[in-house]
Amino acid sequence: QQPVQSPQAVILREGEDAVINCSSSKALYSVHWYRQKHGEAPVFLMILLKGGEQKGHDKISASFNEKKQQSSLYLTASQLSYSGTYFCGTAIFTSGTYKYIFGTGTRLKVLA
Amino acid sequence: DTEVTQTPKHLVMGMTNKKSLKCEQHMGHRAMYWYKQKAKKPPELMFVYSYEKLSINESVPSRFSPECPNSSLLNLHLHALQPEDSALYLCASSHGQGTRGYTFGSGTRLTVV
Repeated sequence: QQPVQSPQAVILREGEDAVINCSSSKALYSVHWYRQKHGEAPVFLMILLKGGEQKGHDKISASFNEKKQQSSLYLTASQLSYSGTYFCGTAIFTSGTYKYIFGTGTRLKVLA
Repeated sequence: DTEVTQTPKHLVMGMTNKKSLKCEQHMGHRAMYWYKQKAKKPPELMFVYSYEKLSINESVPSRFSPECPNSSLLNLHLHALQPEDSALYLCASSHGQGTRGYTFGSGTRLTVV
């Protein structure tokens, strides 16, 4: 049930672009994206709820495909501050309530 | 106040000790969560409290005991832990089912010796 992310790790130079994918074998109710820096808490980036949705702010955007089984995070003109581990996450309805699980994670390092 | 506050930030305990982790939020969120995170791994859900009632226990060993005294506080009581329980313990909260995202605390780095 855990969403699978690709790539597992990526190294970029400042100013380069990156795409991180999050895939599920089943349709997702929603997908969230988080960034976690080493030793810190995950920070919420954005949420996508509808199939075909695209949203973003500044140079970070995301899409959710029509079947709601894949989401992609787009990092444009990367900055040093973008370094960290990116997780997608989703809520699964079970036992009468939702529980939230994270994807496998993608480690991103931006070099000067 | 848009934060989740966790204390302590670091904790070293022996296998026979009893300790507690604390989490507090004042955003009016009615769902609170405990996650465990090992190095280079995603956070793993342990417990979910919804309206101060335990709604999910992810088959966590009984040496971890959660408590939700009120809508703003969440505790995790620890007793007779094992070295493999060493990890970052994260608390999070959300509105309702979390469709607007989750707010995480900065975590407690736990080392069991």
